[in-house]
Amino acid sequence: AQTVTQSQPEMSVQEAETVTLSCTYDTSESDYYLFWYKQPPSRQMILVIRQEAYKQQNATENRFSVNFQKAAKSFSLKISDSQLGDAAMYFCAYRANTNAGKSTFGDGTTLTVKP
Amino acid sequence: NAGVMQNPRHLVRRRGQEARLRCSPMKGHSHVYWYRQLPEEGLKFMVYLQKENIIDESGMPKERFSAEFPKEGPSILRIQQVVRGDSAAYFCASSPQGARDYGYTFGSGTRLTVV
Repeated sequence: AQTVTQSQPEMSVQEAETVTLSCTYDTSESDYYLFWYKQPPSRQMILVIRQEAYKQQNATENRFSVNFQKAAKSFSLKISDSQLGDAAMYFCAYRANTNAGKSTFGDGTTLTVKP
Repeated sequence: NAGVMQNPRHLVRRRGQEARLRCSPMKGHSHVYWYRQLPEEGLKFMVYLQKENIIDESGMPKERFSAEFPKEGPSILRIQQVVRGDSAAYFCASSPQGARDYGYTFGSGTRLTVV
């Protein structure tokens, strides 16, 4: 079974600085997708960034980028120039290409941004 | 396009009552997924549906829980004879058909409280 582990229940960062959130996963599949979602206090789940496992190039979306290490099964999220609005819970998620439906989520990391 | 619409936003039920949670997917999306989030935890997969079909219900408790996505109308997650342990946030997500790399579009969730 696939598992997703986020080993940092809480992280904090100073405004304008950079923070990295960790995620590891376990799978026997070779073709899959990885995602980071943001859940602010409003509880709305928002897709931040996605990565296809067959692509070596790390995905980037503005201030958000990932460090995808397929061999190590690691998928960390880097937030640059952190803003107060980045404060939220962040979830890492995995979906196998053989299964268009089910995604497996980690337990989340709560990010606090200090002014 | 209003996105994924879930209602009600908050639902309070007494033990033994029935809870009905509704989800209208984003326009053009034919896949619907239900996830449950317990306090301080990540999202746990419950069920994946397409119109008139349950594709994967491996995360759904065998008793008291059911889901449907009729040809017309919203998807319904039904919980019969609710118990305190059913208190959680229930999220619905949708995606387009065939888009395996598509991250979910989530609704705002329904917070069920069983008293």
